[in-house]
Amino acid sequence: NAGVMQNPRHLVRRRGQEARLRCSPMKGHSHVYWYRQLPEEGLKFMVYLQKENIIDESGMPKERFSAEFPKEGPSILRIQQVVRGDSAAYFCASSPTLARDTQYFGPGTRLTVL
Amino acid sequence: KNEVEQSPQNLTAQEGEFITINCSYSVGISALHWLQQHPGGGIVSLFMLSSGKKKHGRLIATINIQEKHSSLHITASHPRDSAVYICAVSRGSQGNLIFGKGTKLSVKP
Repeated sequence: NAGVMQNPRHLVRRRGQEARLRCSPMKGHSHVYWYRQLPEEGLKFMVYLQKENIIDESGMPKERFSAEFPKEGPSILRIQQVVRGDSAAYFCASSPTLARDTQYFGPGTRLTVL
Repeated sequence: KNEVEQSPQNLTAQEGEFITINCSYSVGISALHWLQQHPGGGIVSLFMLSSGKKKHGRLIATINIQEKHSSLHITASHPRDSAVYICAVSRGSQGNLIFGKGTKLSVKP
């Protein structure tokens, strides 16, 4: 059973471009969480999704950020018109049926905005 | 004040020493998680617990719900244990985590 996969592992964007981060949860996992780790800071929750539904997006900035988890395919975290402050490591985690199960983390996508 | 506080922030130990990392939280929780973040950045879930004590190899995690406190112990520490150890709590039924700032552990040979 492959682990949580994220791609790309590293992403460089210029200010104003779009960043698209992908997360494939472990097989059989229907809960996906996105977290952000800013340089020299701790991890922060962004959004929690189940298939085709956003359950909690209270940690996600209201503008420029969106997330989806379609019926088929990976979960996508999309950042429009990136700014330097978006430079961070973005981690995805998945858990099986119950939301309170152990979360399994992907390797992260390191976004650098020039 | 952060909802999840860890101590110490940094910890240096000699190989073989017994290590304790502490975590206190100020909110009601459904579970507490201990995570390990390797120097390369990858995150591994070590424990999830809501009561009592769990053991896995040289790692032991305990939680005291009344005192809102958890400890992570490493017995017979080894340089390969060098990493950042992160305490996190989940609340309610949704499971999204609230993280402490982490404890950076360095074990010297």
